[in-house]
Amino acid sequence: AQSVAQPEDQVNVAEGNPLTVKCTYSVSGNPYLFWYVQYPNRGLQFLLKYITGDNLVKGSYGFEAEFNKSQTSFHLKKPSALVSDSALYFCAVRDDTNAGKSTFGDGTTLTVKP
Amino acid sequence: EAQVTQNPRYLITVTGKKLTVTCSQNMNHEYMSWYRQDPGLGLRQIYYSMNVEVTDKGDVPEGYKVSRKEKRNFPLILESPSPNQTSLYFCASSLVPQGGSSPLHFGNGTRLTVT
Repeated sequence: AQSVAQPEDQVNVAEGNPLTVKCTYSVSGNPYLFWYVQYPNRGLQFLLKYITGDNLVKGSYGFEAEFNKSQTSFHLKKPSALVSDSALYFCAVRDDTNAGKSTFGDGTTLTVKP
Repeated sequence: EAQVTQNPRYLITVTGKKLTVTCSQNMNHEYMSWYRQDPGLGLRQIYYSMNVEVTDKGDVPEGYKVSRKEKRNFPLILESPSPNQTSLYFCASSLVPQGGSSPLHFGNGTRLTVT
């Protein structure tokens, strides 16, 4: 069975400071890892993904994520947070042996204060 | 514009009254899926479809039905809704290259209340 853990319900940072939203995963096969963002009253929007190759993945809006196979982690990062980054963030995993199943974490609410 | 369209956005119904939530995508995606979002539980997969006439259960399929007669449509059917199905529902679609490496495209959600 596959699973995703986002250990922090809430992350608070000041505008201009770096941010990290944590994610760890478990799959049987090779992982395909994704980050999505959800703004109020909207569906989820894709931010970035890791499939294979470089462990540091760059995505939309200046976000990046680092894949660490030994720690089974895929933490989302941004060097300088904006107030507009405040939203709900979800980490998700798909297993290359079972492409139909998508498992999401419980979500982390990011609040960036001016 | 490429999009996933869900209807209705809001639905209030009573226990036992059959309902259907529609989902349509215009991106020619093979894969479609339904999720429910509940506070503190993230998104949980209800059903998914790898292509027309191919559907499979997700993690929480009890009380739901789906069908995939056409590539663009993937309706979610609640034959006899119960209050524990009160939730925010999302439909999503993606291409299906080998291994499922394509990101999901989500609709804007349907907020269902069952009284």
